[in-house]
Amino acid sequence: AQSVTQLDSHVSVSEGTPVLLRCNYSSSYSPSLFWYVQHPNKGLQLLLKYTSAATLVKGINGFEAEFKKSETSFHLTKPSAHMSDAAEYFCVVTVTGTASKLTFGTGTRLQVTL
Amino acid sequence: NAGVMQNPRHLVRRRGQEARLRCSPMKGHSHVYWYRQLPEEGLKFMVYLQKENIIDESGMPKERFSAEFPKEGPSILRIQQVVRGDSAAYFCASSPGPGGSGYTFGSGTRLTVV
Repeated sequence: AQSVTQLDSHVSVSEGTPVLLRCNYSSSYSPSLFWYVQHPNKGLQLLLKYTSAATLVKGINGFEAEFKKSETSFHLTKPSAHMSDAAEYFCVVTVTGTASKLTFGTGTRLQVTL
Repeated sequence: NAGVMQNPRHLVRRRGQEARLRCSPMKGHSHVYWYRQLPEEGLKFMVYLQKENIIDESGMPKERFSAEFPKEGPSILRIQQVVRGDSAAYFCASSPGPGGSGYTFGSGTRLTVV
């Protein structure tokens, strides 16, 4: 079984300040982890993915995430928020290399203020 | 190379009608997954198909919902006798193989039942 917990349903930051979106996972097997972003009434865009290679993963638009097995975490960070980053962010887990489905977290809504 | 194509983008049905949602996977992808997103929630897995086979339908409601992925043509998610609670965004994803990092999502079909 696998699951993800996104610890914050809403996060608000000022433009230019750092972003931290928290995610903890649970998986019986070797996990693959993803972060997706969804802008209002849009589809899902993959930000980054971890599939058992380097634990620090760099994604698009300046985002990165670090896989910490000891803490079962995969937090998403960005050094400096931009207004265009305002969206819903989903942490996702699946079992590496299998036909397993994706399991989504409940999402974190990021608000960026001036 | 076109991405995952879903149509229609928006679908309005009256209670009791049938809804048909189509998904054309990326070229070379033979694995298709359907997910449902209810308002203010994350995506929930519904069904996983390969060509002509249902691999995992553990997320499908037991009644009124069916899915297929024929040898030729798109994958179809069919909802018979729709009810207001079926109103949601339905996303399709495809991958070249089982699981892992190759998922690509479509832009979704937003179903509204009136």
